[in-house]
Amino acid sequence: AQSVTQLGSHVSVSEGALVLLRCNYSSSVPPYLFWYVQYPNQGLQLLLKYTSAATLVKGINGFEAEFKKSETSFHLTKPSAHMSDAAEYFCAVSGSNFNKFYFGSGTKLNVKP
Amino acid sequence: DAMVIQNPRYQVTQFGKPVTLSCSQTLNHNVMYWYQQKSSQAPKLLFHYYDKDFNNEADTPDNFQSRRPNTSFCFLDIRSPGLGDAAMYLCATSRGQGSSYEQYFGPGTRLTVT
Repeated sequence: AQSVTQLGSHVSVSEGALVLLRCNYSSSVPPYLFWYVQYPNQGLQLLLKYTSAATLVKGINGFEAEFKKSETSFHLTKPSAHMSDAAEYFCAVSGSNFNKFYFGSGTKLNVKP
Repeated sequence: DAMVIQNPRYQVTQFGKPVTLSCSQTLNHNVMYWYQQKSSQAPKLLFHYYDKDFNNEADTPDNFQSRRPNTSFCFLDIRSPGLGDAAMYLCATSRGQGSSYEQYFGPGTRLTVT
């Protein structure tokens, strides 16, 4: 069975500070992992995905994530937060039967000036 | 630009009055999904189509139905909306059913039930 846990429903950082959003997964098969961002009243936009090609995945808007099998983690980072990064972020793992996504509960990122 | 389009963006309906939400895509993807997302929660999969093959999630209420008349369009019908059905409804597509395929989401339709 697949599942995702996102630690911290709310994260607050100052502009220019490091962003770290945590995601741990559980999967009975080699996982495919995704990070999405959602702005208020918008759909989800793909930031990046892990499909086993490389453990460090670079995405859009300066975000990256590192797949660590030993820790079953796929944390999202960005070296320097920007005000426009304020949004909700969802981690997801896809299922083995078909492309069913199991989403984490989301982390709302607040960026302080 | 290829994209997923949802209309309307905001829909108000009355308690018990049937409502239909629409989704179209120009990506020519085989798979289309409908999600329900309530405030501050993760999206919850209602059902998906692989081509014309319909797949219902086990816990999707019978009140929710879907139609996919062709590759490009997919509709969500709520036969008798209740107050608890007020939510954002997200349509998504993917190229295939393989687990590595990312899903592309539309902007969503926010449904209000009065």
